[in-house]
Formats: sequence, C-alpha cells, structure tokens
Amino acid sequence: QVHLQESGPGLVKPSQTLSLTCTVSGGSISSSNYYWNWIRQPPGKGLEWIGYISYSGNTYYNPSLKSRATISGDTSKNQFSLKLSSVTVADTAVYYCVRAPGSDAFDIWGQGTMVTVSS
Amino acid sequence: IVLTQSPGTLSLSPGETASLSCRASQSVRSSYLAWYQQRPGQAPRLLIFVASSRATGIPDRFSGSGSGTDFTLTISRLEPEDFAVYYCQQYGSSPLITFGQGTRLEIK
Repeated sequence: QVHLQESGPGLVKPSQTLSLTCTVSGGSISSSNYYWNWIRQPPGKGLEWIGYISYSGNTYYNPSLKSRATISGDTSKNQFSLKLSSVTVADTAVYYCVRAPGSDAFDIWGQGTMVTVSS
Repeated sequence: IVLTQSPGTLSLSPGETASLSCRASQSVRSSYLAWYQQRPGQAPRLLIFVASSRATGIPDRFSGSGSGTDFTLTISRLEPEDFAVYYCQQYGSSPLITFGQGTRLEIK
C-alpha cells in the first residue's frame, strides 16, 4: 500500500521560499511510469495543479506559477520536494502531494499540509 | 482547457439520485476526465477515471458518462456519506492539468 506524507513549515513570510517534502512509503518514486505531483487548495477554494516530477526525473509546471515552482526528487530517501519562491498571501493553501500512474488520474493523495503566508 | 461544473450547489435528500455536470471548453482527448470526492477536512478521493471507469473500492452507485466536452457524474441512492464536494479534472491535455471549480452536494 503506497502512502504519501507531506512535511514542512506551516508558516512562511511573504517574499520568502516555501519548501515542502513528500515522503513516499510502500513504493519507489523511480518506479517506471509514475508521476509525482504537487496540488494545492486555498482555504474554501478549489484545486490547483502545481506540477510534477516523473519517475525518470523530468519535471513540468503549471505556467500560471510563472516559474516560481521547482520540484526535485531524492531517490535515496524516496522523497520529492516542492520549492515555491517569492510567496505572497495568495500562496496560502493546503498543499497535497499526489501520485499519478502514467498519463492517468491522481490515484493516491497525501493528507495535505496547511501553509500560511504571513508576516 | 477550462472545465465548468454545474450546478454550484445541489440540494438533495438521502435515497435520491444526483446528477453533476462538467463541461469542457474544448474536447477532452481520449475522454481523459476524472471525478473526485472531497469530504470536509479530507484529501480528495478518486472516484472515476477515463470518464466512466470506477476506481478501486468505489461503489457502483457512482457512475460516470460522457465524451468530447460534456461529462456527467451520477450518484444513485444517495447515502449520508456522499454529501461532499465533487471535482472534475481533465488530463487529456497532459501535462497541462485542470480542475473544475467543484459542485457542493448538500443534504436537503
């Protein structure tokens, strides 16, 4: 049973960089044809896809984030991470790490972690 | 691709049938459309993928249909635990992925 768990600071100051890590258990992030995603949800609002890192290390980001997002992977720790630079209050959200098998729907979600951007 | 869900809120009673709509601004390739359920305080849960295939463990009360630009999630014989927010998502234009704004299903 694959399990995803987000971790990281719950409070980030405006203009700083938000950093989150997703630890994957029960499966490998380098397993063929899996994509490891970050998705966020502002309080009371809908879901926004941020981007992914593939099993082979390729990355792709939502253009709406204007190059502020960086996703990386650490196969030795079976983790993948998100960095979001120059944050503003609009980046306040619950951040989810999520698995997608191939070019398919999001089948396994972490529980989510709330990040608040405030001075 | 922009996804528009309707209605915004649907009020029904347990035992009734819910019909939720998701309309795409352009055709969704290969019917790569999914539906998710999100209960308060929980992460979304995959219900339906490729428009009509149920995910593992999802009761057959949940069914998806549609193709092209018009998709529907139907929930038969509503149970109390079905009252939640539902999102559609397209992955046909992958890697660009978009979600609908959600439909809230509430108890009447």
